[in-house]
Amino acid sequence: GAVVSQHPSRVICKSGTSVKIECRSLDFQATTMFWYRQFPKQSLMLMATSNEGSKATYEQGVEKDKFLINHASLTLSTLTVTSAHPEDSSFYICSARLSGSFYNEQFFGPGTRLTVL
Amino acid sequence: GQQVMQIPQYQHVQEGEDFTTYCNSSTTLSNIQWYKQRPGGHPVFLIQLVKSGEVKKQKRLTFQFGEAKKNSSLHITATQTTDVGTYFCAGRGYNQGGKLIFGQGTELSVKP
Repeated sequence: GAVVSQHPSRVICKSGTSVKIECRSLDFQATTMFWYRQFPKQSLMLMATSNEGSKATYEQGVEKDKFLINHASLTLSTLTVTSAHPEDSSFYICSARLSGSFYNEQFFGPGTRLTVL
Repeated sequence: GQQVMQIPQYQHVQEGEDFTTYCNSSTTLSNIQWYKQRPGGHPVFLIQLVKSGEVKKQKRLTFQFGEAKKNSSLHITATQTTDVGTYFCAGRGYNQGGKLIFGQGTELSVKP
């Protein structure tokens, strides 16, 4: 089946540093990937839609300069949390949509837990 | 904007009891998907419903899509401990660029 990986799985950083999270579709090409943020025991909040070769589409209230998204290839999207602060601590999950599949479902990566000290 | 509400937030059942979670959208949906997230895991796709009034079954799980395509439900018959997790509905509206809006999820715990 379709597999999506994320790296790193867990990161702890100091306030003010930038953190890059990678999302890869391992066995399929994904023209569209999605980045979500999930707080403990809460739903997935869509942050942005990442389109290969073009600018990401950000949801209302998500700072573009804070959360930089790059979708350089059909198998890789990156999310960079710039100048991270403790309130950015969260579980970040990416997903990739399998284009042309019968259900057009999204396959989720395992997530990255970010802790900002 | 489009909102997807899901109830209940939590459900604790005895093993063998039935369980139902309900999902309501503020707007008409082109389709709705259901996902399951185990504790500590990531969401895993269960099913997609597209047609008005559609009913689909997967073993002990029954999924329904309302006639107006604004609500959906997931019913589990005779729950087992392996059913533990959070169940999310996710709706895709028309003219939304294909993005899914997730409900808040229903966390199911099953007491053996």
